[in-house]
Amino acid sequence: QKEVEQDPGPLSVPEGAIVSLNCTYSNSAFQYFMWYRQYSRKGPELLMYTYSSGNKEDGRFTAQVDKSSKYISLFIRDSQPSDSATYLCAMSQGNSGGSNYKLTFGKGTLLTVNP
Amino acid sequence: SAVISQKPSRDICQRGTSLTIQCQVDSQVTMMFWYRQQPGQSLTLIATANQGSEATYESGFVIDKFPISRPNLTFSTLTVSNMSPEDSSIYLCSVDRGAGETQYFGPGTRLLVL
Repeated sequence: QKEVEQDPGPLSVPEGAIVSLNCTYSNSAFQYFMWYRQYSRKGPELLMYTYSSGNKEDGRFTAQVDKSSKYISLFIRDSQPSDSATYLCAMSQGNSGGSNYKLTFGKGTLLTVNP
Repeated sequence: SAVISQKPSRDICQRGTSLTIQCQVDSQVTMMFWYRQQPGQSLTLIATANQGSEATYESGFVIDKFPISRPNLTFSTLTVSNMSPEDSSIYLCSVDRGAGETQYFGPGTRLLVL
């Protein structure tokens, strides 16, 4: 079992739709949870990060972490064509257990928002 | 956040040669990281580079193949040595600006080995 599982899609939605992106993980030591957006031929851009369980909202984006279920989600409201990109989830133990801030990534979900 | 640049942005190399990738950050950072992103795969950590100490390599990556330098708090290099077509990938550097909550990435170096 991989440490982080993410459905690679592709996911295609009409403009204005609500998008739900998800990752599951197996390592209960993960404490920090991140979502990155990566446009074609660009580096990953940090969208949001959360610590432990709970919700975090930033504009049209909401990140949710459920540590009891080992499940994280990113919701995009009122999706726009400019949201078309690959979305990567990532997780970290911080500096606990000698993990030295290592990030473990999902494979990414390719999202296309159609005008 | 952090402003991170990488050079070169892309290159095409012949097998058996080596390529050095540079990573420059706009301010001092303690920890820098090097990742590889192969087509259809997750980003995979190659090594962690702290200034003033030897780089720490992840399982499956060795110093002879991926030597790293970290001469100061704003700069690092990764060399891909004795390249083969399997080394064709995107190589990314990242930095930790906080207390380990997250990392910020450079634009990447796209490497094709023929």
